Parts: sequence; structure tokens; C-alpha cells
Amino acid sequence: NAGVTQTPKFQVLKTGQSMTLQCAQDMNHEYMSWYRQDPGMGLRLIHYSVGAGITDQGEVPNGYNVSRSTTEDFPLRLLSAAPSQTSVYFCASSADWMAGNEQFFGPGTRLTVL
Amino acid sequence: AQTVTQSQPEMSVQEAETVTLSCTYDTSESDYYLFWYKQPPSRQMILVIRQEAYKQQNATENRFSVNFQKAAKSFSLKISDSQLGDAAMYFCAYSPYNFNKFYFGSGTKLNVKP
Repeated sequence: NAGVTQTPKFQVLKTGQSMTLQCAQDMNHEYMSWYRQDPGMGLRLIHYSVGAGITDQGEVPNGYNVSRSTTEDFPLRLLSAAPSQTSVYFCASSADWMAGNEQFFGPGTRLTVL
Repeated sequence: AQTVTQSQPEMSVQEAETVTLSCTYDTSESDYYLFWYKQPPSRQMILVIRQEAYKQQNATENRFSVNFQKAAKSFSLKISDSQLGDAAMYFCAYSPYNFNKFYFGSGTKLNVKP
């Protein structure tokens, strides 16, 4: 199993550009989520999904969109990038939404918005 | 929202010695889960240990153990016989009992000196 994969690993955008961060898992996990990691702040939840066709907002959803058309994929879209979105983005998955399940993380995408 | 506090931004330990990383959290719930994750320079998040709040016994995984003080809302991680490979950022995380949402602390950077 590849686990959780993310592409790209690095990305530089200009303010106002849009892009999609890709996330895929091959463990047949129902629950997937996106976090951003900023210096001195730990990881914060952006959006999550409990299954195909179901998504919801986390702590910091503004400026981001998600969709979940398949169990495997959970892309994160930045509609109009802003410098405040410069961060490292992590995708994670777990077997289901039940509390206590280990979340498996991807390797992260470092995004810089100029 | 729940808050998780890691008051030690950085710590150092001599190889083969023992070190304790601190974590406190704020919640009004009686049941929940607590986690420690390790993030080495590769950025990959790795689960170190997990504790269920309703279990009185402290969790242990090889050289890693926790001191869970529920009344004090404290969840410290003890690393025994520290090894060079233990050098990493360590994040404490809280998850409510009814959903697998993680709330992370800001992290502690652990340096291991040979």
C-alpha cells in the first residue's frame, strides 16, 4: 500500500491564482481530512469528509473548497490564493469517523503564495 | 473549540537519557482521546502513542510512555533511553469521544545530543 499520497510536494503561486492540491489514499478509508501547518501553531483542520459525497468545514475553511466524488480522492482547491495561505498542507485519512482511530498522514505540500 | 497547549517550544536531551514532554488541554467532556505524533525532518507525521480518557492505565509503547492526569488535564510523554532517531517535532493532539477530529498543540522540537 502507498498509504496517503499528496501532489505536488512544493508549489509557488502568485496572489489570485487558483490551484488544486491532490490527495489520494489506497486503504479504503472512509474519513479524510485536510490540515494546514503554520509555524508555532501546530496543525489546524480545514475541511473533512466522512465518505464519498459528504464534506464539512473544520476550524479554518475560508478560502478553500473540497469535494469527495470517490472514496480514494479528496482534493483541496484554492480559488484565489492569498499570501496568508502560505503554509504546509497535510492530508490525512482514517478507517472511519469514529473517535480514537489513528489518522494516517500524507507527506505534505509546501505552498508559497507571493 | 478545544485547546491543546505545549508550553515547551524546544527541548534537548542527551542520548540514552530520559526526557518528558508536556501537554495540557482544555475540555468539558469526560471521555475523549489523546495522541502524541512525531514529525521528523521528513515532515511525515507518525503516531507515537494513544490514550483513551476513560482508561486509568497509562499507555506504553516500548520506550514511550505517557503520564495521563485526567483531573489536571495533563498528558505528558516520556521517552526513555533517547536515541538520535527520536529527534523530531512532537505534537500532542486531542480528539472528542464522538468524532475523529484532531486538535493539535503547537509542538515541541526535541533535540538529541550524541
